[in-house]
Amino acid sequence: KAGVTQTPRYLIKTRGQQVTLSCSPISGHRSVSWYQQTPGQGLQFLFEYFSETQRNKGNFPGRFSGRQFSNSRSEMNVSTLELGDSALYLCASSLGPGQEMYEQYFGPGTRLTVT
Amino acid sequence: TQLLEQSPQFLSIQEGENLTVYCNSSSVFSSLQWYRQEPGEGPVLLVTVVTGGEVKKLKRLTFQFGDARKDSSLHITAAQPGDTGLYLCAGGEYNFNKFYFGSGTKLNVKP
Repeated sequence: KAGVTQTPRYLIKTRGQQVTLSCSPISGHRSVSWYQQTPGQGLQFLFEYFSETQRNKGNFPGRFSGRQFSNSRSEMNVSTLELGDSALYLCASSLGPGQEMYEQYFGPGTRLTVT
Repeated sequence: TQLLEQSPQFLSIQEGENLTVYCNSSSVFSSLQWYRQEPGEGPVLLVTVVTGGEVKKLKRLTFQFGDARKDSSLHITAAQPGDTGLYLCAGGEYNFNKFYFGSGTKLNVKP
């Protein structure tokens, strides 16, 4: 079974621009979560989608948004980029709520650099 | 404040030594996962524990879930340079599909 894929792997953007990151979950997984990871803050939860609906949201400004498509693929968007948005953005997929062996599987991440 | 506290934050040891990493919380979790992450890559799932008191072994790694399902430990026997990485614990609440991550333990094993 193919793992979680994220595109692009690396991205360099300028302050004020916007960016869209893409995530394809493991086949059969219907839940996708997004995380931001920085050296100072560690792994921070952004949001989680299940069946095209946002179920949980972390404490990030409205510039960060996401969506999920009917095939469970997900995208996240960051508008009006700031220098502090430079981070590794990770996507994780899981089967969905109510699973006893609740496990998340991560993609390789997208390294975003804002200059 | 972090829901899951990991200790120590940093650990630098010689090849062949043993070590234990701890993951503690005041909350009860449905399950607990341990991940290892290498620089620039996503975390890789090592193990999931779901039953209080459960012990799982993965080669030289031993994972234990506390009886009350609030804490966990990871013990590595005879560490090797290939064990170097960031170890993360994560607690899951399966009814709500929520995950809480610890701040991580950065392990460096010197040859």
